[in-house]
Amino acid sequence: EVVLTQSPGTLSLSPGERATLSCRASQSVNSNYLAWYQQKPGQTPRLLIYAASSRATGIPDRFSGSGSGTDFTLTISRLEPEDFAVYYCQQYGTSPWTFGQGTKVEIK
Amino acid sequence: EVQLVQSGVEVKKPGESLKISCKGSGYSFTSYWIGWVRQMPGKGLEWMGIMHPGNSDIRYSPSFQGQVTISADKSISTAYLQWSGLRASDSAMYYCARAPGRYPFENWGQGTLVTVSS
Repeated sequence: EVVLTQSPGTLSLSPGERATLSCRASQSVNSNYLAWYQQKPGQTPRLLIYAASSRATGIPDRFSGSGSGTDFTLTISRLEPEDFAVYYCQQYGTSPWTFGQGTKVEIK
Repeated sequence: EVQLVQSGVEVKKPGESLKISCKGSGYSFTSYWIGWVRQMPGKGLEWMGIMHPGNSDIRYSPSFQGQVTISADKSISTAYLQWSGLRASDSAMYYCARAPGRYPFENWGQGTLVTVSS
């Protein structure tokens, strides 16, 4: 199965700063079918990005995804207070689909 | 409006069986994949498996193969996740989620909390 490794484990930043989250796959992600989700405490995950770089419906343009093959990045251009959460990458190009272990973005 | 409504909180004893549900509405139930995701307390998301109710195609994660059974009843637009012998380590939040073909989980149920304790 495709193992996804996210880094860093925790990112401590201030509102207004730029966040850069990494997701590395153990093998090439088929068709770059890589998604990013946001999860806040006590809430269900929310799809942010699909196909590595396409924003899901209703997602603000401060969220952007990039990358291909085995290396992917989620960038939040300017952190808003509501963006402090845990972020997961997921590949859905090969069964079994797999998630990364998550990156927590916390307020510095 | 697309909705996935899951069954309520469950408290069970080790060895007991359990079947939790996820009812879809606001879309064609047989046209989308339905998957299940586990989240243990304070931990990350784990993909358990996925099913296409239209053709009954089911895929399991190797980590969950043989431990759970995924099924669906098209007539009532409901997907199921079941265990035949629960263990304490099955205590977790379980989410169902909808995926169009070649697309990730775009809609999620509210989650079902399962607690297994003697």
